[in-house]
Amino acid sequence: AQSVTQLGSHVSVSEGALVLLRCNYSSSVPPYLFWYVQYPNQGLQLLLKYTSAATLVKGINGFEAEFKKSETSFHLTKPSAHMSDAAEYFCAVRLNTNAGKSTFGDGTTLTVKP
Amino acid sequence: GAGVSQTPSNKVTEKGKYVELRCDPISGHTALYWYRQSLGQGPEFLIYFQGTGAADDSGLPNDRFFAVRPEGSVSTLKIQRTERGDSAVYLCASSLTGQGPGSEQFFGPGTRLTVL
Repeated sequence: AQSVTQLGSHVSVSEGALVLLRCNYSSSVPPYLFWYVQYPNQGLQLLLKYTSAATLVKGINGFEAEFKKSETSFHLTKPSAHMSDAAEYFCAVRLNTNAGKSTFGDGTTLTVKP
Repeated sequence: GAGVSQTPSNKVTEKGKYVELRCDPISGHTALYWYRQSLGQGPEFLIYFQGTGAADDSGLPNDRFFAVRPEGSVSTLKIQRTERGDSAVYLCASSLTGQGPGSEQFFGPGTRLTVL
């Protein structure tokens, strides 16, 4: 079984400030972890994924995330927020014992203030 | 290039009616997934197809929900005797092989179902 918790349903930052979106997971076997972004009225778009290679994963649009097994975390960061980063972000986990099924967190809405 | 498409984009129906939601995956993708996203929540897994067969339907909430993929391409999610609690955005995704958890899932824009 697996689960995902995203701490903070809403995060607000100023343009140019650090973005930190938190994700903690629970799984019975080593997980595969994903971050997706969803813009209004659009589908989910993959930002980055961790699949047991390097623990620091770089994705699109300047985002990165670090897998920390000891903390069961996979937090998403970006050094400098841009107005276009305003969207909803979802963390998801999949297990190698059930490759098709992704379990998502409830999402974090990121607001970027000018 | 064509992504995953879903029709209709919006569907309003009355309680007790039958609805069908369609998903056209990316050409050549063998794996197809259905998720349901309720307001304020993340997507919830419903069913996963590998080719024509349902590899995992553990997420279907009850026997009113059924999905098919007869030719291994287009899929239809069917909901009988709709209830107000079925109102949600239904998302479809596809991936090239579905083999390995790292295979990327490409999502469609969703169908917003409203049951009055």
